Amino acid sequence: GIQVEQSPPDLILQEGANSTLRCNFSDSVNNLQWFHQNPWGQLINLFYIPSGTKQNGRLSATTVATERYSLLYISSSQTTDSGVYFCAVPLGRGSTLGRLYFGRGTQLTVWP
Amino acid sequence: NAGVTQTPKFQVLKTGQSMTLQCAQDMNHNSMYWYRQDPGMGLRLIYYSASEGTTDKGEVPNGYNVSRLNKREFSLRLESAAPSQTSVYFCASKPTGLANYGYTFGSGTRLTVV
Repeated sequence: GIQVEQSPPDLILQEGANSTLRCNFSDSVNNLQWFHQNPWGQLINLFYIPSGTKQNGRLSATTVATERYSLLYISSSQTTDSGVYFCAVPLGRGSTLGRLYFGRGTQLTVWP
Repeated sequence: NAGVTQTPKFQVLKTGQSMTLQCAQDMNHNSMYWYRQDPGMGLRLIYYSASEGTTDKGEVPNGYNVSRLNKREFSLRLESAAPSQTSVYFCASKPTGLANYGYTFGSGTRLTVV
């Protein structure tokens, strides 16, 4: 089955710093998503990014499908950015079914 | 507030006991999912329901059953709980479509089996 590797596993930043999180995947995929899980466990869908670049405020994401990786950029980080960031790709065939395979995540801690 | 509601939020079971985790969404989504999250791991799909009246196994279905009661509700049942089922369980829903986006997750159920 498909493999998804995220790096780094842990990241500690001072407020205001920029960071880049990476997601590598082993097979070609027709979509990729980024999620944020806050320290209280709530999961939020950040981006649907099968290819190209998208931006939402201080966050942006880029997927290079031909090279099988995606990057999540966080600029001017804030303490509220803390939590775990997951990338996810379709699980199995039939991507319209919406089944997802998650990476292990990057644990981000932002200090004031 | 619109969203996905899970009950209970916390539960402790003894080995061998049974229980049902409830999930309801009020966004008129067709597709619903149950995931589990173990420490240091990503979420893993247990079961899903692509539409009302259908259910299918995900990555880790053993020891679980599901019911799609109606379009709103999708329950997960543990018939005989085992310590290996200690985990945080998340229910999610999304609208049907070619693009896999627009997921909404519940706040999770933290289950401990002793």
